[in-house]
This record gives sequence, C-alpha cells and structure tokens, in this order.
Amino acid sequence: DAKTTQPTSMDCAEGRAANLPCNHSTISGNEYVYWYRQIHSQGPQYIIHGLKNNETNEMASLIITEDRKSSTLILPHATLRDTAVYYCIGSNAGGTSYGKLTFGQGTILTVHP
Amino acid sequence: KAGVTQTPRYLIKTRGQQVTLSCSPISGHRSVSWYQQTPGQGLQFLFEYFSETQRNKGNFPGRFSGRQFSNSRSEMNVSTLELGDSALYLCASSLSSSGGAYIQYFGAGTRLSVL
Repeated sequence: DAKTTQPTSMDCAEGRAANLPCNHSTISGNEYVYWYRQIHSQGPQYIIHGLKNNETNEMASLIITEDRKSSTLILPHATLRDTAVYYCIGSNAGGTSYGKLTFGQGTILTVHP
Repeated sequence: KAGVTQTPRYLIKTRGQQVTLSCSPISGHRSVSWYQQTPGQGLQFLFEYFSETQRNKGNFPGRFSGRQFSNSRSEMNVSTLELGDSALYLCASSLSSSGGAYIQYFGAGTRLSVL
C-alpha cells in the first residue's frame, strides 16, 4: 500500500467547507485512494474513493491531482457531526493486497459551532 | 440491507484465556477482513478471508487465528490472551473479490479488555 501523509489535526467552522489534504506520492497506478472516517470508538465509515478522476457523492468530493501524488477530501458544509478522524488510504486491496487497507494516523477534524 | 454485525460488543477476559469473536457480513459480501485497533498502534490488519480461504495475513503472532464459514460469516480467535491484546477488534466486509475498487464496510467492533 502507498504511504500517506496527512496533517495531524484541522479545525473548521460549522457550515463552512472542510478541505482535508493527503499526500500519497508513492501511490502506484493500480492503487485506489480511499477515504474513511471514524467517530470516537465506532467502526470506520467509508466516505469516497477514486482512481484518477475527481469524484463526488452525497457525503463529499474527492479531488485527485493529475499526477496522483496527492488528493483533497472536501466536505462542502461541515456540521458538528463531521467531527471525526479522517483516514486517507492508498491501496490495491481488491487486487494483490487482498482485503488489506493500511490505516495511518489520520487527521482529527474538529468542527466548531 | 443490514450492516456488518459483530458480537459480542464488549468482552472482559483474564490473561491466559482464549476468546472467539464473531462477524456477520453484509448479505452477499464474500470477503471479510479483521483489524485490531489500539491507542498505540492504531488500526492494524489481521487477516482477510474469501470463500472460506485466508488470502492475506498481517503481522500478528499465531495466537491470532480466524476462519470463515460457507455462509461468509467469520470468527476470529485469540488464544492465551495477553494484556496487550486489549483492543477494539473490527470486522469489515466487501463485495469485491478481485481487481477494481475494494470498499470495506465496517462493523461497530468488539471491545476486548484483558485483565
């Protein structure tokens, strides 16, 4: 799996967009970028994933740079319930890594009223 | 559709005992992965099962084992418990079997405390 680097913590005001960066400069061509979040002591929750193109779903948007060395997760209108640890993962879990997602330390996002 | 179900939610054991944790994946999912989460080491991959076969294994001692049944339900077992085995054990299931994106859906976990 690709090594990922994320800021340790970030703050965001409620109602504003939260932009969470991730560096994955060693990602290989067949590795997807996944984002998960974990609210205190719960199981991680899948947010979004992408390979090359930008992606959007009902939860968030994922912007991947053209060289695929970094990405940004965007929560368009953060709420207090978005306070969580956000994990960026580069993995080929559907291929040779067979079911393994390598979680780093993630970014602690705190949304303030 | 029901999510991933892990039982029990909480467990207290003493050193030297063994424990079995259970995971029922989302209906139709054939791949089940297990993770251990501790404050010091974070989330670490234990192993993955697909169609009753272990396809991948993390760097854990042999005291940690698992199995998968024909209905895709999975169990993991930890023998000769140590204090350091106290952790949140997470199970995740996935639809994908090979290639492509691999979205794992996690259960709420089993909190194991070893005294």
